[in-house]
Amino acid sequence: EEQLVASGGGLVQPGGSLRLSCEASGFTMSRYWMSWVRQAPGKGLEWVANIKQQGNEQYYLDSVKGRFTISRDNAKNSLYLQMNSLRAEDTAFYYCARKIVVTGPYFFDFWGQGTLVTVSS
Amino acid sequence: EIVMTQSPATLSVSPGEGATLSCRASQSVSSYLAWYQQKPGQPPRLLIYAASARATGVPARFSGSGSGTDFTLTISSLQSEDFAVYYCQQYSTWPPLTFGGGTKVEIK
Repeated sequence: EEQLVASGGGLVQPGGSLRLSCEASGFTMSRYWMSWVRQAPGKGLEWVANIKQQGNEQYYLDSVKGRFTISRDNAKNSLYLQMNSLRAEDTAFYYCARKIVVTGPYFFDFWGQGTLVTVSS
Repeated sequence: EIVMTQSPATLSVSPGEGATLSCRASQSVSSYLAWYQQKPGQPPRLLIYAASARATGVPARFSGSGSGTDFTLTISSLQSEDFAVYYCQQYSTWPPLTFGGGTKVEIK
Protein backbone atom coordinates (compact mmCIF):
# COMPACT_ATOMS: atom_id res chain seq x y z
CA GLU A 1 0.00 0.00 0.00
CA GLU A 2 1.31 3.40 -0.98
CA GLN A 3 1.68 5.88 1.87
CA LEU A 4 3.00 9.34 2.48
CA VAL A 5 3.33 10.17 6.17
CA ALA A 6 4.11 13.76 7.09
CA SER A 7 5.47 14.75 10.46
CA GLY A 8 7.27 17.56 12.24
CA GLY A 9 4.47 20.06 12.64
CA GLY A 10 3.79 21.90 15.85
CA LEU A 11 3.49 25.24 17.57
CA VAL A 12 6.28 27.72 16.86
CA GLN A 13 6.72 31.41 17.62
CA PRO A 14 6.88 33.98 14.83
CA GLY A 15 10.41 34.11 13.47
CA GLY A 16 11.05 30.52 14.49
CA SER A 17 11.92 27.43 12.45
CA LEU A 18 10.53 23.97 11.85
CA ARG A 19 11.54 21.06 9.67
CA LEU A 20 8.82 18.94 8.19
CA SER A 21 9.42 15.41 7.00
CA CYS A 22 7.43 13.14 4.72
CA GLU A 23 8.23 9.46 4.50
CA ALA A 24 7.08 7.48 1.51
CA SER A 25 6.36 3.77 1.52
CA GLY A 26 4.89 1.34 -0.98
CA PHE A 27 6.50 3.10 -3.95
CA THR A 28 9.91 4.35 -5.05
CA MET A 29 9.91 8.06 -4.31
CA SER A 30 13.00 8.67 -6.47
CA ARG A 31 10.86 8.20 -9.60
CA TYR A 32 8.67 11.19 -8.80
CA TRP A 33 8.70 14.94 -8.52
CA MET A 34 7.43 15.72 -5.03
CA SER A 35 5.70 18.74 -3.58
CA TRP A 36 4.45 20.43 -0.45
CA VAL A 37 0.96 21.93 -0.53
CA ARG A 38 -0.57 23.74 2.42
CA GLN A 39 -4.05 24.52 3.64
CA ALA A 40 -4.83 27.07 6.31
CA PRO A 41 -7.55 25.76 8.65
CA GLY A 42 -10.92 26.05 6.91
CA LYS A 43 -9.33 27.51 3.76
CA GLY A 44 -8.29 26.36 0.31
CA LEU A 45 -5.21 24.67 -1.05
CA GLU A 46 -1.98 26.55 -1.75
CA TRP A 47 1.04 25.03 -3.51
CA VAL A 48 4.29 25.71 -1.63
CA ALA A 49 7.22 23.99 -3.33
CA ASN A 50 8.30 21.31 -5.83
CA ILE A 51 11.46 19.26 -6.14
CA LYS A 52 12.65 17.19 -9.06
CA GLN A 53 13.47 13.50 -8.77
CA GLN A 54 17.18 13.91 -8.05
CA GLY A 55 16.76 17.14 -6.12
CA ASN A 56 18.54 19.29 -8.69
CA GLU A 57 15.55 21.56 -9.37
CA GLN A 58 13.29 23.24 -6.85
CA TYR A 59 10.51 25.77 -7.25
CA TYR A 60 8.82 27.88 -4.62
CA LEU A 61 5.79 30.03 -3.98
CA ASP A 62 6.99 33.63 -3.98
CA SER A 63 5.88 34.26 -0.40
CA VAL A 64 8.10 31.46 0.95
CA LYS A 65 11.10 31.98 -1.31
CA GLY A 66 14.22 32.58 0.74
CA ARG A 67 12.55 31.27 3.91
CA PHE A 68 11.62 27.67 3.01
CA THR A 69 13.85 24.98 1.52
CA ILE A 70 12.54 21.77 0.01
CA SER A 71 14.90 18.79 -0.10
CA ARG A 72 14.82 15.03 -0.37
CA ASP A 73 16.78 11.92 0.54
CA ASN A 74 15.86 9.23 -1.94
CA ALA A 75 17.86 6.61 -0.06
CA LYS A 76 15.52 7.18 2.86
CA ASN A 77 12.44 7.67 0.64
CA SER A 78 11.94 10.97 2.40
CA LEU A 79 10.98 14.53 1.55
CA TYR A 80 11.68 17.55 3.74
CA LEU A 81 10.64 21.17 4.16
CA GLN A 82 12.88 23.41 6.21
CA MET A 83 10.85 26.44 7.26
CA ASN A 84 12.64 29.49 8.68
CA SER A 85 11.48 32.98 9.65
CA LEU A 86 7.97 31.65 10.13
CA ARG A 87 5.03 34.04 10.04
CA ALA A 88 1.47 33.80 11.32
CA GLU A 89 0.28 33.44 7.72
CA ASP A 90 2.28 30.21 7.38
CA THR A 91 -0.12 28.54 9.81
CA ALA A 92 -1.62 25.60 7.92
CA PHE A 93 -1.80 21.89 7.41
CA TYR A 94 1.14 20.93 5.23
CA TYR A 95 0.62 18.04 2.84
CA CYS A 96 3.27 16.20 0.89
CA ALA A 97 2.02 15.22 -2.53
CA ARG A 98 3.31 13.21 -5.45
CA LYS A 99 3.26 14.35 -9.05
CA ILE A 100 2.23 11.73 -11.56
CA VAL A 101 5.20 9.80 -12.90
CA VAL A 102 4.59 10.79 -16.51
CA THR A 103 6.95 13.52 -17.72
CA GLY A 104 5.21 16.84 -18.23
CA PRO A 105 1.87 17.56 -16.62
CA TYR A 106 2.10 18.64 -13.00
CA PHE A 107 -0.87 17.44 -11.05
CA PHE A 108 -0.95 15.33 -7.91
CA ASP A 109 -1.99 11.72 -8.05
CA PHE A 110 -1.35 10.93 -4.40
CA TRP A 111 -1.38 12.95 -1.19
CA GLY A 112 -0.30 12.18 2.33
CA GLN A 113 -2.05 13.16 5.53
CA GLY A 114 -1.13 16.64 6.60
CA THR A 115 0.89 17.91 9.51
CA LEU A 116 -0.28 21.06 11.26
CA VAL A 117 2.04 24.02 11.66
CA THR A 118 0.84 26.77 13.98
CA VAL A 119 2.79 30.01 14.13
CA SER A 120 1.74 32.01 17.17
CA SER A 121 3.20 33.74 20.18
CA GLU B 1 0.18 33.95 -12.00
CA ILE B 2 -2.97 32.24 -13.27
CA VAL B 3 -5.89 32.84 -10.92
CA MET B 4 -8.49 30.10 -10.67
CA THR B 5 -12.03 31.05 -9.62
CA GLN B 6 -14.61 28.47 -8.61
CA SER B 7 -18.35 28.92 -8.37
CA PRO B 8 -20.53 28.62 -6.50
CA ALA B 9 -18.76 28.61 -3.16
CA THR B 10 -21.43 26.29 -1.76
CA LEU B 11 -23.87 24.05 -3.60
CA SER B 12 -26.80 22.47 -1.77
CA VAL B 13 -27.98 19.30 -3.45
CA SER B 14 -30.31 16.47 -2.51
CA PRO B 15 -28.97 12.92 -2.71
CA GLY B 16 -29.71 11.46 -6.12
CA GLU B 17 -29.68 14.83 -7.84
CA GLY B 18 -26.93 16.08 -10.14
CA ALA B 19 -24.44 18.88 -9.47
CA THR B 20 -22.49 21.17 -11.77
CA LEU B 21 -19.39 22.93 -10.47
CA SER B 22 -17.57 25.64 -12.38
CA CYS B 23 -13.93 26.67 -12.55
CA ARG B 24 -12.63 29.64 -14.50
CA ALA B 25 -9.01 30.53 -15.26
CA SER B 26 -7.76 34.10 -15.59
CA GLN B 27 -6.05 33.08 -18.85
CA SER B 28 -6.13 30.03 -21.05
CA VAL B 29 -4.81 26.83 -19.46
CA SER B 30 -5.69 24.71 -22.50
CA SER B 31 -6.78 21.37 -21.00
CA TYR B 32 -4.19 21.40 -18.23
CA LEU B 33 -6.73 21.23 -15.45
CA ALA B 34 -7.29 18.80 -12.61
CA TRP B 35 -10.12 18.35 -10.11
CA TYR B 36 -9.74 17.07 -6.56
CA GLN B 37 -12.22 15.99 -3.89
CA GLN B 38 -11.52 16.63 -0.23
CA LYS B 39 -13.52 15.29 2.69
CA PRO B 40 -13.17 16.63 6.25
CA GLY B 41 -9.97 15.53 7.93
CA GLN B 42 -8.63 13.93 4.77
CA PRO B 43 -6.13 14.97 2.11
CA PRO B 44 -7.38 15.78 -1.37
CA ARG B 45 -8.02 12.96 -3.82
CA LEU B 46 -7.46 13.27 -7.57
CA LEU B 47 -10.67 12.91 -9.56
CA ILE B 48 -10.06 14.36 -13.02
CA TYR B 49 -6.97 15.39 -15.00
CA ALA B 50 -6.49 16.81 -18.47
CA ALA B 51 -9.88 18.47 -17.93
CA SER B 52 -11.87 15.33 -18.68
CA ALA B 53 -9.90 12.16 -17.90
CA ARG B 54 -11.05 10.27 -14.82
CA ALA B 55 -8.35 9.11 -12.44
CA THR B 56 -8.06 5.44 -11.56
CA GLY B 57 -10.97 4.21 -9.49
CA VAL B 58 -13.12 7.31 -9.91
CA PRO B 59 -16.78 6.45 -10.55
CA ALA B 60 -18.28 7.26 -13.92
CA ARG B 61 -20.78 9.65 -12.32
CA PHE B 62 -17.92 12.18 -12.17
CA SER B 63 -17.18 13.89 -15.45
CA GLY B 64 -15.12 16.90 -16.44
CA SER B 65 -15.37 19.15 -19.44
CA GLY B 66 -14.06 22.41 -20.84
CA SER B 67 -10.89 23.91 -22.22
CA GLY B 68 -9.23 27.29 -22.35
CA THR B 69 -10.63 29.27 -19.45
CA ASP B 70 -13.93 27.61 -18.55
CA PHE B 71 -14.30 24.19 -17.00
CA THR B 72 -17.04 22.13 -15.43
CA LEU B 73 -17.14 19.19 -13.06
CA THR B 74 -20.44 17.33 -13.23
CA ILE B 75 -21.56 14.82 -10.67
CA SER B 76 -24.60 12.89 -11.77
CA SER B 77 -26.85 11.40 -9.11
CA LEU B 78 -24.98 12.43 -5.95
CA GLN B 79 -24.22 9.68 -3.46
CA SER B 80 -23.72 10.28 0.27
CA GLU B 81 -19.95 9.91 -0.13
CA ASP B 82 -19.83 12.69 -2.72
CA PHE B 83 -20.63 15.48 -0.26
CA ALA B 84 -17.27 17.17 0.05
CA VAL B 85 -15.23 20.14 -1.13
CA TYR B 86 -14.00 20.16 -4.72
CA TYR B 87 -10.96 22.05 -5.99
CA CYS B 88 -9.69 22.73 -9.47
CA GLN B 89 -5.98 23.17 -10.21
CA GLN B 90 -4.22 24.46 -13.30
CA TYR B 91 -0.87 23.07 -14.37
CA SER B 92 -0.49 24.91 -17.65
CA THR B 93 1.88 27.58 -16.37
CA TRP B 94 3.95 27.21 -13.22
CA PRO B 95 5.37 28.17 -10.87
CA PRO B 96 3.11 28.76 -9.20
CA LEU B 97 0.72 25.87 -9.50
CA THR B 98 -2.63 27.37 -8.55
CA PHE B 99 -5.88 26.08 -7.14
CA GLY B 100 -9.37 27.46 -7.11
CA GLY B 101 -10.94 28.45 -3.82
CA GLY B 102 -13.14 25.36 -3.73
CA THR B 103 -16.82 24.49 -3.98
CA LYS B 104 -18.47 22.81 -1.03
CA VAL B 105 -21.19 20.38 -2.04
CA GLU B 106 -23.54 19.98 0.90
CA ILE B 107 -26.67 18.01 1.57
CA LYS B 108 -29.84 19.95 0.92
